[in-house]
Amino acid sequence: AQSVTQPDIHITVSEGASLELRCNYSYGATPYLFWYVQSPGQGLQLLLKYFSGDTLVQGIKGFEAEFKRSQSSFNLRKPSVHWSDAAEYFCAVGPGGYNKLIFGAGTRLAVHP
Amino acid sequence: IAGITQAPTSQILAAGRRMTLRCTQDMRHNAMYWYRQDLGLGLRLIHYSNTAGTTGKGEVPDGYSVSRANTDDFPLTLASAVPSQTSVYFCASRGDGLNTEAFFGQGTRLTVV
Repeated sequence: AQSVTQPDIHITVSEGASLELRCNYSYGATPYLFWYVQSPGQGLQLLLKYFSGDTLVQGIKGFEAEFKRSQSSFNLRKPSVHWSDAAEYFCAVGPGGYNKLIFGAGTRLAVHP
Repeated sequence: IAGITQAPTSQILAAGRRMTLRCTQDMRHNAMYWYRQDLGLGLRLIHYSNTAGTTGKGEVPDGYSVSRANTDDFPLTLASAVPSQTSVYFCASRGDGLNTEAFFGQGTRLTVV
């Protein structure tokens, strides 16, 4: 069955510290992978996506993610967190094209000044 | 501005009442989706439509129905609301190209009392 696991429900980091949010997936075919961010009371905004090619992908707001097929992982990273990064982050997997995406349960990030 | 519009933004609904959540997109995407977001569960797919005139059931379809009379609109109906349908509902769409992501509306916060 297709699934996405985000092991960390809540993460708290200090402003300026590095960040890594974990995402593991179970998918039978070549996965298309996404990270979305949701600020309080808002919809979901795409941070980055991986379809093929270079396994390290760059996104908006200084985020990057690395696809590791052997570990079925697609972890999100940022070298220095800003207070405005406090939000909920969702990892998603799905096939290409118009097919539906499967989402993880999300990781809520808090940033301490 | 191109995108997805959901209405209403929020609603308090008496149990047993019928309610239709509206979703309109102007990106001419064939695929559209309804997700519900609940704390700790992430986004779960309710129904989807790969093209006008077709719909399919997602992960949690019970108690909900959808229609897709045209490309732009994808309303979600609760025939007889129950308190467990209290949630935040997101409409999304996705383009036909292989390397496409899903775009989300701002959400409808529904409280069934």
